[in-house]
Formats: sequence, structure tokens, C-alpha cells
Amino acid sequence: AQSVTQLGSHVSVSEGALVLLRCNYSSSVPPYLFWYVQYPNQGLQLLLKYTTGATLVKGINGFEAEFKKSETSFHLTKPSAHMSDAAEYFCAVSRQFGNEKLTFGTGTRLTIIP
Amino acid sequence: AAGVIQSPRHLIKEKRETATLKCYPIPRHDTVYWYQQGPGQDPQFLISFYEKMQSDKGSIPDRFSAQQFSDYHSELNMSSLELGDSALYFCASSLLGSVGPYNEQFFGPGTRLTVL
Repeated sequence: AQSVTQLGSHVSVSEGALVLLRCNYSSSVPPYLFWYVQYPNQGLQLLLKYTTGATLVKGINGFEAEFKKSETSFHLTKPSAHMSDAAEYFCAVSRQFGNEKLTFGTGTRLTIIP
Repeated sequence: AAGVIQSPRHLIKEKRETATLKCYPIPRHDTVYWYQQGPGQDPQFLISFYEKMQSDKGSIPDRFSAQQFSDYHSELNMSSLELGDSALYFCASSLLGSVGPYNEQFFGPGTRLTVL
């Protein structure tokens, strides 16, 4: 079985400050890891993903995440927060198979303080 | 580029009624997934189909059924609706036969079901 734990259901950062959203996973097999963003009343948009290869992955909107197997973590960061980053962020895991379901964490609501 | 289409976008039903949600995957995608997101909760996997056959099943109530048709669109049928079924229902699609082992799931905008 796979699971994801997102530490902090709500995170607030000032505009221009570092964004750090934490995600730890549990998986009995090598995982694929994902971060999705959800804006109010909208669907899920893929920010970035780790499948294989380089452990530091870059995504859209200046976000990046690092896969750390030893820490079972996949934290999401952005050097400088923008007001438009305010949204709900979900970390997700799947097994390394083609059409595997996604298992999501409980989400982190990011608020940007002007 | 074409995206996943879901209809209707909003649906209001009474308890014990039935509802049908439709999903039209990205053209050429062969796999469809259904997820349920309750208010303030994370999306939960319900069921998936590959080439019109059920490929995986999650926490889907027996009152719900789904299928994928020959044109690859999918329908989620929900009967004897309960208040707790009020949620955002997402459909996602992917192409299993694409290059490489990873097949990105592209999500639709969701159908918001409200049960009164």
C-alpha cells in the first residue's frame, strides 16, 4: 500500500519569501511522486513529477521538488512566492506502472501575505 | 490542445435519486480514472478503465457503477444518492501506450454534485 503525508494543512508565507511545502511518502515499491495544484473551483493541474533519473525536478511556475529516498520525502519549494501561488497543493504517489491510480495527501492550502 | 471534458459541470439531486456523470478523455487516450473529492478533502480514487475493461477499483460504493464505451468516453452512474455523496468528481485520462513507463494523468475540471 502507498500513502502520502503532507505536514501542515495551512501554510502562509509573505510575498517574495521562500515557499516550502512538505510531503513524505510511504511505499513498498519504488514510487512515482507528483505535486498537483488546485485553484478554487478548478481541476487539478500537474506542477511536477518524479519518475526516474534526476532527483531534483523542476516544474511549472518556478516550483521544484527533490526526491530524497533516504528521507522518503518529496518537498516542494519555490524561492520567491507570488500572489498567484495561493492555492491548494496536493502531493501524490503511484506505483511505477503505466496506468496506476494516484494516492493523494490531504493537501496544503498556501496563503500568500502581501 | 484538447483536454478532458466532463459533463455536467454542476448537478443538484435529491436524496435517493440517481445521477450520471460523463467523461470524455483526451483524443487517443485509452485509460480513464474517476476520483471523488469531498469538501475539504483529498481526491480519492474510485475506479479506472483501460480499453473498456475495468483495470482497478478503489473505495467505490456498491451504489455506484461505471463503464467505458467503445469511443473511450466513460460514465459514472450513481444510484440511491446520499447526502455524503456531495463532492467534486474528477475524471482523468492517460495513454498507456505512450513512450516510456510513465503515463501522465490529465484531469478534467470536475463535476460538482450536490445532494439535497
